[in-house]
Amino acid sequence: SQQGEEDPQALSIQEGENATMNCSYKTSINNLQWYRQNSGRGLVHLILIRSNEREKHSGRLRVTLDTSKKSSSLLITASRAADTASYFCATETGGKLIFGQGTELSVKP
Amino acid sequence: EPEVTQTPSHQVTQMGQEVILRCVPISNHLYFYWYRQILGQKVEFLVSFYNNEISEKSEIFDDQFSVERPDGSNFTLKIRSTKLEDSAMYFCASVQGADTQYFGPGTRLTVL
Repeated sequence: SQQGEEDPQALSIQEGENATMNCSYKTSINNLQWYRQNSGRGLVHLILIRSNEREKHSGRLRVTLDTSKKSSSLLITASRAADTASYFCATETGGKLIFGQGTELSVKP
Repeated sequence: EPEVTQTPSHQVTQMGQEVILRCVPISNHLYFYWYRQILGQKVEFLVSFYNNEISEKSEIFDDQFSVERPDGSNFTLKIRSTKLEDSAMYFCASVQGADTQYFGPGTRLTVL
């Protein structure tokens, strides 16, 4: 698998449900960042978790990082239709970001 | 809140033409990046720039590409002779240190 692979590739849920997206990577990292992208638009930074952190929260977002398993998860609680977007994890090593393929989240009203 | 800006938002060019994509990073940031995203694919790193020189470049960043910081604010990506496969969304990003990279809204490049 490649650095920063997300799972699942697509996720469809109802409004109000929680959405969990997973990311795996291969090499050691300084930090891992999650971004959101609405179709054809720019990348919006959601949250950064450093390699010495295990969990971080920001509003309805919860990110975990397990460096022993080289994996991270992004949980969006109480999802809204406006959360519909693609979500990417990106690992930072030596400055540059390596992105995964992303998870397409669809939240139905 | 400060933000990264990019111009133009959409550039259409003929194959073989030169294009310059422009970015204004956040003012106190020190590290600058270009990434690209071919339609439907993941975002790929092109080049990083620090202290007025390239610090790292990917295999994609061949001698058709160049970057410049011509003044204290702009950061440009030049493609000397565009190919069809250069059609993509190009993103500029900047960061102060080992922290969040802030992305611009992107320039959609279409090569005909």
